Amino acid sequence: KQEVTQIPAALSVPEGENLVLNCSFTDSAIYNLQWFRQDPGKGLTSLLLIQSSQREQTSGRLNASLDKSSGRSTLYIAASQPGDSATYLCAASSGGSYIPTFGRGTSLIVHP
Amino acid sequence: NAGVTQTPKFRVLKTGQSMTLLCAQDMNHEYMYWYRQDPGMGLRLIHYSVGEGTTAKGEVPDGYNVSRLKKQNFLLGLESAAPSQTSVYFCANSDGLGGYTFGSGTRLTVV
Repeated sequence: KQEVTQIPAALSVPEGENLVLNCSFTDSAIYNLQWFRQDPGKGLTSLLLIQSSQREQTSGRLNASLDKSSGRSTLYIAASQPGDSATYLCAASSGGSYIPTFGRGTSLIVHP
Repeated sequence: NAGVTQTPKFRVLKTGQSMTLLCAQDMNHEYMYWYRQDPGMGLRLIHYSVGEGTTAKGEVPDGYNVSRLKKQNFLLGLESAAPSQTSVYFCANSDGLGGYTFGSGTRLTVV
């Protein structure tokens, strides 16, 4: 059974800092790994999708890496802004039905 | 979110009442999922479907039923609501190759 862990559970940083969110998974036979953002009371918005054959994906100030052998993914946020404040979830997809298993998320606060 | 629509957005039920949550997609994807999200528990899979006419149990299926009569729609039913089913419910889809698209959620309170 796939298990996904995200560390830290919460993070508070001053504006402008570069930061790293961590995601680990137990079953390395994944199809892909996806990072989502969730604002309070809202749904999930996809940020980055990394296929199993890829090592990283970038979108603007966001960069996600994938290391299947170690069962880890990291989300790097450069020059953080207050608007980045949200919960960030990672999901690893595995199994024959491409079922995503979610971590519990990292709650990020970027203060001015 | 674009492509996946959930109705209703909010609902209050009395214990023992029944209801159906509707998830509709316009993306023609085969795979659809129902999750519930609770504080401290993250997102947990209730049921999923790998195509029209198919359904399967996820991690927390008890107390729920689902149907996928049409490819575009995935229905989640509560036959006899219980306070423990108070949660936020999310529907998602996937084409199996790319990522996942989520609906905006249904906030259900059972009193």
